[in-house]
Amino acid sequence: GAVVSQHPSRVICKSGTSVKIECRSLDFQATTMFWYRQFPKQSLMLMATSNEGSKATYEQGVEKDKFLINHASLTLSTLTVTSAHPEDSSFYICSARDLKAEAFFGQGTRLTVV
Amino acid sequence: DAKTTQPPSMDCAEGRAANLPCNHSTISGNEYVYWYRQIHSQGPQYIIHGLKNNETNEMASLIITEDRKSSTLILPHATLRDTAVYYCIVRVAGGNAGNMLTFGGGTRLMVKP
Repeated sequence: GAVVSQHPSRVICKSGTSVKIECRSLDFQATTMFWYRQFPKQSLMLMATSNEGSKATYEQGVEKDKFLINHASLTLSTLTVTSAHPEDSSFYICSARDLKAEAFFGQGTRLTVV
Repeated sequence: DAKTTQPPSMDCAEGRAANLPCNHSTISGNEYVYWYRQIHSQGPQYIIHGLKNNETNEMASLIITEDRKSSTLILPHATLRDTAVYYCIVRVAGGNAGNMLTFGGGTRLMVKP
């Protein structure tokens, strides 16, 4: 199946700093990518939908100025958590959709804000 | 997308078949049934999907009832590495509907030696 690479897999940052997470589709072009967040023992919650070359669409309750999404190419989307706080600590997962509209997931990024 | 209902947890003995049920009574005619699983601290992994016919691949079999209101994922010979949370999702395949996947609670399958 198609491969989606997410980097980094783990990151620890200090409160108030920003962290960038990259999501790459390695062997297909992804016009649409999705960013999810998952807290311990909970299911994945969609944060935003990212379309190449246009602004992301955020789900209700997700602050667009805090979670900056850039989808500048058909193979790369980035999520930047700005001014991170301990409550932003979570497992962030990206998903990319191929031309057949099937979804493939990255390995996830464990963010810990201290 | 239609909502699904799954048992929160199940146990299965290693080497035996694991049968994971899913109810999707409000499924629409153009919605497929997808199954993903998530092993601890990893991203979800696609398993199988189907519309109305039963499907089988190297990982699992998917049995969909004739009225399409429920389905069962079958792992024929469960191993310890199959311990994971299994998500049943119904969605429209293809199209321009955004195709985001909406995850419910899933079933936490514990395969025991």
